[in-house]
Amino acid sequence: QSALTQPASVSGSPGQSITISCTGTSSDVGSYNLVSWYQQHPGKAPKLMIYEGSKRPSGVSNRFSGSKSGNTASLTISGLQAEDEADYYCCSYAGNWVFGGGTKLTVL
Amino acid sequence: QVQLQESGPGLVKPSETLSLTCTVSGYSISSGYYWGWIRQPPGKGLEWIGRIYHSGTTYYNPSLKSRVTISVDTSKNQFSLKLSSVTAADTAVYYCARVGSSGNHLDYWGQGTLVTVSS
Repeated sequence: QSALTQPASVSGSPGQSITISCTGTSSDVGSYNLVSWYQQHPGKAPKLMIYEGSKRPSGVSNRFSGSKSGNTASLTISGLQAEDEADYYCCSYAGNWVFGGGTKLTVL
Repeated sequence: QVQLQESGPGLVKPSETLSLTCTVSGYSISSGYYWGWIRQPPGKGLEWIGRIYHSGTTYYNPSLKSRVTISVDTSKNQFSLKLSSVTAADTAVYYCARVGSSGNHLDYWGQGTLVTVSS
C-alpha cells in the first residue's frame, strides 16, 4: 500500500479556518470511512484527534472536524489557535494501516 | 488513565535484532483490545509495524513481516517487538499504542523511544 498524499504545509492566521486534505485510493480512503487524524507537536507522541472519518475522542475540541469525499478525506480546524501549530497525519485503515506523509501547520 | 511506556536499548548494531518492550498501566491487556507498534524515522512520517491481541493473534505490515515478531506477556502487562537484521534505515522513534475499540485507530500512545542502528 502506498502512503496517503497530504500537502507538506498549510498556514493560517489565528481565528481563521484551515483544511488539510488526505488523498488515497478506492482501496483505502474511498472504500471505508475509517480515516483517523493525529496531531504531533515537536518531540511528542501523536495524539488522536479524529477517528472513523468524523468522530472526535473525548476531550478533543469541537474546532476539529473531519469529512470525506470520494478518495479524499479532510481535516478542518476552525478558530485557529497558536497551540494548533503542529504536524498532522492522516491514517486509513483497510485491514492494515497506511499513513499520510504529514502536514506541517503554521499559525501565522 | 491508560499509559504506555516503551523501553529497550537505544543503540543496535547493523544486522542484529532490535528488541523493545511496552509496559501498559491503567488497563489490563488481558481485558481486550489490540496493541500496536508504530515507528517514525527522524524528520519523517509514521509507519505502522504491527499489532497483537491478548490471545497472541498478530497482524504485521507486509513490508516488514519477514523481520518482525510481536509478542505479549499478560502476566507482566507487557507486549514486545523484535525486528531482525536491522540496517540504518530502521533508525527511528518507536512508539507503542493501543488500538481503539472499533479496531481502526490508535487512541493511546507511549512517549516513544529512539533506536539508532549504528556500528
